[in-house]
Amino acid sequence: ETGVTQSPTHLIKTRGQQVTLRCSSQSGHNTVSWYQQALGQGPQFIFQYYREEENGRGNFPPRFSGLQFPNYSSELNVNALELDDSALYLCASSPQRGSTDTQYFGPGTRLTVL
Amino acid sequence: ILNVEQSPQSLHVQEGDSTNFTCSFPSSNFYALHWYRWETAKSPEALFVMTLNGDEKKKGRISATLNTKEGYSYLYIKGSQPEDSATYLCAFPNFNKFYFGSGTKLNVKP
Repeated sequence: ETGVTQSPTHLIKTRGQQVTLRCSSQSGHNTVSWYQQALGQGPQFIFQYYREEENGRGNFPPRFSGLQFPNYSSELNVNALELDDSALYLCASSPQRGSTDTQYFGPGTRLTVL
Repeated sequence: ILNVEQSPQSLHVQEGDSTNFTCSFPSSNFYALHWYRWETAKSPEALFVMTLNGDEKKKGRISATLNTKEGYSYLYIKGSQPEDSATYLCAFPNFNKFYFGSGTKLNVKP
């Protein structure tokens, strides 16, 4: 069983640009969640996708959007990048969308916005 | 936005010491409480999913308790080892959202 993978590992963008981060969930996991972790804080919930539909959203503006594909991969897209978007972005997959389902995290993508 | 708080923020102990830290969460609309361990340069790793008031879970030298009525969970590490050095996070799921605390960073000195 392969773990959760994310690409790229690191990324540098400039303010105003757009970025796409990718995540490959564990096979058979129908749910993927995305988190933003800024320095000194815990992961902040961005949104969750279940069977290719958005299933829950945190306090993030619409320029943060996502997609989930049938092959257990997903994307996080961020438009009009701001300096404050610099953070570690984590994805986590789980078998279902229940509160008791364990989430399996990827290693993260470090985004730096200059 | 729900408040999930962890204390202390950081902890420095000697090898062999036992230690514990706290996660506080809203006592209403409780479904579960998750604990994760996050070692530097690795992915967060699930430790426990706790669901019942009074629940106690154990994994090797690590155990956790849950009090849903007062809204807290304790994580205990018995006889800390240097490999226990990590950030320990708790997460509170609520209406299809997960709320994480800011973590307790544990450093175990040999």
